[in-house]
Amino acid sequence: EAQVTQNPRYLITVTGKKLTVTCSQNMNHEYMSWYRQDPGLGLRQIYYSMNVEVTDKGDVPEGYKVSRKEKRNFPLILESPSPNQTSLYFCASRSRLVLTDTQYFGPGTRLTVL
Amino acid sequence: QQQVKQSPQSLIVQKGGISIINCAYENTAFDYFPWYQQFPGKGPALLIAIRPDVSEKKEGRFTISFNKSAKQFSLHIMDSQPGDSATYFCAASQINTGTASKLTFGTGTRLQVTL
Repeated sequence: EAQVTQNPRYLITVTGKKLTVTCSQNMNHEYMSWYRQDPGLGLRQIYYSMNVEVTDKGDVPEGYKVSRKEKRNFPLILESPSPNQTSLYFCASRSRLVLTDTQYFGPGTRLTVL
Repeated sequence: QQQVKQSPQSLIVQKGGISIINCAYENTAFDYFPWYQQFPGKGPALLIAIRPDVSEKKEGRFTISFNKSAKQFSLHIMDSQPGDSATYFCAASQINTGTASKLTFGTGTRLQVTL
């Protein structure tokens, strides 16, 4: 089954404790992205990657890091989480085919930073 | 700066009625306009999308109307059903540039279809 998986699905942590949210896709997609979803703000892109070792900032990259060492994986790293990073996070992937921009989203990770 | 403005924030429609959600964009370089549907506890999923070279696209009960000159597009759900109750996001992107994979989303509309 074609899918994007994220782990963990739920995470409660404390300010300053480094964490990583993993994302993996089995569709051989080149492009991967991370979004955060907040009430009244919709989804905002944090980082995206166009291929292995190629990443770039989205609209709200502050406080986040990413890496793309393998095509299928795109982890999101919070080196020193703060309460304003409490949010619902989605990973997404899509093929590099130009004719379509269908992004496939993971199930989400709900993060609470105390 | 909100590049894609979506309204209404919430919408209640009776079963069988028409649901209409509107979006307006600012960046004339956008060339792809998808709508995503999100059920509680799930990630968004593509519902229907349109390119600016057509004014309307219909898939089953779902229709996108696109007005390039006004920089507006809307989603119409005909014969709305309780199973359509979800949050709907409009979005826009530039798929013909090197900034592929960057979707700019609206703020979402929570649709409730009542019996």
